Amino acid sequence: DAKTTQPPSMDCAEGRAANLPCNHSTISGNEYVYWYRQIHSQGPQYIIHGLKNNETNEMASLIITEDRKSSTLILPHATLRDTAVYYCIVENTDKLIFGTGTRLQVFP
Amino acid sequence: EAGVAQSPRYKIIEKRQSVAFWCNPISGHATLYWYQQILGQGPKLLIQFQNNGVVDDSQLPKDRFSAERLKGVDSTLKIQPAKLEDSAVYLCASSHPGNTIYFGEGSWLTVV
Repeated sequence: DAKTTQPPSMDCAEGRAANLPCNHSTISGNEYVYWYRQIHSQGPQYIIHGLKNNETNEMASLIITEDRKSSTLILPHATLRDTAVYYCIVENTDKLIFGTGTRLQVFP
Repeated sequence: EAGVAQSPRYKIIEKRQSVAFWCNPISGHATLYWYQQILGQGPKLLIQFQNNGVVDDSQLPKDRFSAERLKGVDSTLKIQPAKLEDSAVYLCASSHPGNTIYFGEGSWLTVV
């Protein structure tokens, strides 16, 4: 079973920051938090991952709380092309166990 | 760098027929995965290979599904006989062990 909890859906205005929360209260010390997204009819796309520290790349930022029980994916300037299902995953032994994710709708 | 290649992209078959999906992972990736994604759900892991050996096939319905990776590179997933509930997207993914997992575009199966 997935070890994460995410809201089923969120809306965001184009150009604004999208903040997607994720709870992973049972995460173990050596497990990473991964974020993927899936645009309709495509395979999941890797976004970012982290262990303890906050991470940033060209796509997004990942903020992990100090106790590691939750995290937030931040898309700093959402565009219409960011409309997708976003999956927060706790990686365990080289496997990704997906939940149902958050459906992010970016509107004009 | 080429991504994970899958074929066919779309397939429609009648129930009780057989179907096979092919996957070519990213060059050099030792780990290969097959996932099944039913509409409205997240992907579910079916089988994980490390080179040509099976690491985890606990979620693979072995009475009708089979998968192989004979030379440790390409892989084939077969369903025989197909049932209506097998209608789904079959996703192949690959990685270096311990590194980021990359997915293909998927093979869409409709069983009628």
